[in-house]
Amino acid sequence: AQSVTQLDSQVPVFEEAPVELRCNYSSSVSVYLFWYVQYPNQGLQLLLKYLSGSTLVKGINGFEAEFNKSQTSFHLRKPSVHISDTAEYFCAVRPLRGSQGNLIFGKGTKLSVKP
Amino acid sequence: DAMVIQNPRYQVTQFGKPVTLSCSQTLNHNVMYWYQQKSSQAPKLLFHYYDKDFNNEADTPDNFQSRRPNTSFCFLDIRSPGLGDAAMYLCATSDTGTRAGELFFGEGSRLTVL
Repeated sequence: AQSVTQLDSQVPVFEEAPVELRCNYSSSVSVYLFWYVQYPNQGLQLLLKYLSGSTLVKGINGFEAEFNKSQTSFHLRKPSVHISDTAEYFCAVRPLRGSQGNLIFGKGTKLSVKP
Repeated sequence: DAMVIQNPRYQVTQFGKPVTLSCSQTLNHNVMYWYQQKSSQAPKLLFHYYDKDFNNEADTPDNFQSRRPNTSFCFLDIRSPGLGDAAMYLCATSDTGTRAGELFFGEGSRLTVL
């Protein structure tokens, strides 16, 4: 079985400051890793994903994440946030095998960017 | 261009009155999912279709049913909604081909139960 832990439920930050949203996972098998963003009253939009290869993954809107296998982490970072980045961010994992199966989400981190 | 379309975006129903939420996709993906997301919680998978094969999660209540008449459409039926069923319902699709793993979500249908 897999599980995802997002260590911070809320992260307040000032505009143009850097931000890191933390994600750790547990799995007995190899997994794909994802970050999704959800704006108020909307569905989830893929920010970035790690399938294989380079452990540093770049996504949309200037976000990036680094896969660390030894620490089973996949932290999301942005060097300078904007007001428009205010949203909820979900980390998720999915087993490599049985790709039609479930996407396991963390509980989410609400990023609040203040002027 | 919207690729996964959910209707209605907002649905208000009375306690016990059946409701149907719809989802359509233009991606021609073979897998379609229904998630339930309650306020400030992670999305929770209710069930998914792999082509026509229906896969129910063990803890999904019998009150929730689904239909997939063709590749493009999938419906979520809630037979007798209770107050605890008020939530955002998210439809998603995926392709078991080269982009295996990535889910594409619709905008969601927010259900209110009075």
